[in-house]
Amino acid sequence: IAGITQAPTSQILAAGRRMTLRCTQDMRHNAMYWYRQDLGLGLRLIHYSNTAGTTGKGEVPDGYSVSRANTDDFPLTLASAVPSQTSVYFCASAETSGRTDTQYFGPGTRLTVL
Amino acid sequence: GQNIDQPTEMTATEGAIVQINCTYQTSGFNGLFWYQQHAGEAPTFLSYNVLDGLEEKGRFSSFLSRSKGYSYLLLKELQMKDSASYLCAALDSNYQLIWGAGTKLIIKP
Repeated sequence: IAGITQAPTSQILAAGRRMTLRCTQDMRHNAMYWYRQDLGLGLRLIHYSNTAGTTGKGEVPDGYSVSRANTDDFPLTLASAVPSQTSVYFCASAETSGRTDTQYFGPGTRLTVL
Repeated sequence: GQNIDQPTEMTATEGAIVQINCTYQTSGFNGLFWYQQHAGEAPTFLSYNVLDGLEEKGRFSSFLSRSKGYSYLLLKELQMKDSASYLCAALDSNYQLIWGAGTKLIIKP
């Protein structure tokens, strides 16, 4: 693995189902982020984690949960999917100790909730 | 509130120069990022400015004026592969990135 990987690449999901989007990085970055990107809108932060064992809420956290059990993995869970969660989801990571905070993105997961 | 403004779409000709502007209003400021995003792909890092002035990196340059809350990305010798969206993002006082909606750049032959 080099960089950030996300799985699945795309998914069609029935409303009400539970879904976990996976994100793994091998750069040993301390910080990780989940964004959603919708047409005409900027990237919106869902949840973030500044270090393993800690998480925080972003701009649009409702309906989503995250965990950060270790440095490399940062899964995003939709407990009961709704059609408004149809979006492209990007995971990102950054090394924030140097304070440039450059974020590097995974390839994204395209999620459709019907 | 925090806000990033950039044009929705711009068109330019292959071989020409284009300047994409971005204005920002954030609670505190710790730097300004530009990312490139091709359709259907992830954003990729282009540049970071925290001090006033121009940073040049090959065909791409980025400028920052902290007093004016203003940045621009300058692309020279445009190539067809530069057709993409360009995202401006400001790092606020909590070191969270505030993103603009992106500027879609269309390059015509």
